[in-house]
Amino acid sequence: GAVVSQHPSWVICKSGTSVKIECRSLDFQATTMFWYRQFPKQSLMLMATSNEGSKATYEQGVEKDKFLINHASLTLSTLTVTSAHPEDSSFYICSARRTQGGTGELFFGEGSRLTVL
Amino acid sequence: KNEVEQSPQNLTAQEGEFITINCSYSVGISALHWLQQHPGGGIVSLFMLSSGKKKHGRLIATINIQEKHSSLHITASHPRDSAVYICAVSYNFNKFYFGSGTKLNVKP
Repeated sequence: GAVVSQHPSWVICKSGTSVKIECRSLDFQATTMFWYRQFPKQSLMLMATSNEGSKATYEQGVEKDKFLINHASLTLSTLTVTSAHPEDSSFYICSARRTQGGTGELFFGEGSRLTVL
Repeated sequence: KNEVEQSPQNLTAQEGEFITINCSYSVGISALHWLQQHPGGGIVSLFMLSSGKKKHGRLIATINIQEKHSSLHITASHPRDSAVYICAVSYNFNKFYFGSGTKLNVKP
């Protein structure tokens, strides 16, 4: 089946630094990728929709200057948490939808746990 | 905005029991997804439904479009089925709303 890889799976950083998380579709092309955030014991919250070659679409309440999304190719989207603060500590997950030959099914990455000290 | 409600929030079962998790939504959708999240956090897409019923191994998912309701069934449950099961609905496959999840614990 289709595989989506996220990297890193966990990261610890100091407050004020920036952290980049990568989401790759390994065996299919994905015009659209999605970024989610999950707080402990809560469900997923869609942060933004990442479109290859264009600007991401952010959900209401999500700061686009804080969470920079770049979708440079059909297999890679990146989320950069800029000037991270402890309240940004969370579990970040991406998903991708196959561009061609797919049924619209989503494939999820393993997630990246960010801890900001 | 679509409201997605799941029940129960927590479920404990003995190995071998038949399990049902329910999901209701308030607005018409293009598809409904059942997801499984293990303690480590990784998510696996179990089913995507637009209508009817799908079966994969011991898992069965049904959806009733008129009633805006879906169920996920697990037959002959096993401890390895212990996970959080999440219902998600989508519009045109681009907008997603997630239920709060059902935490399943299957005891041996």
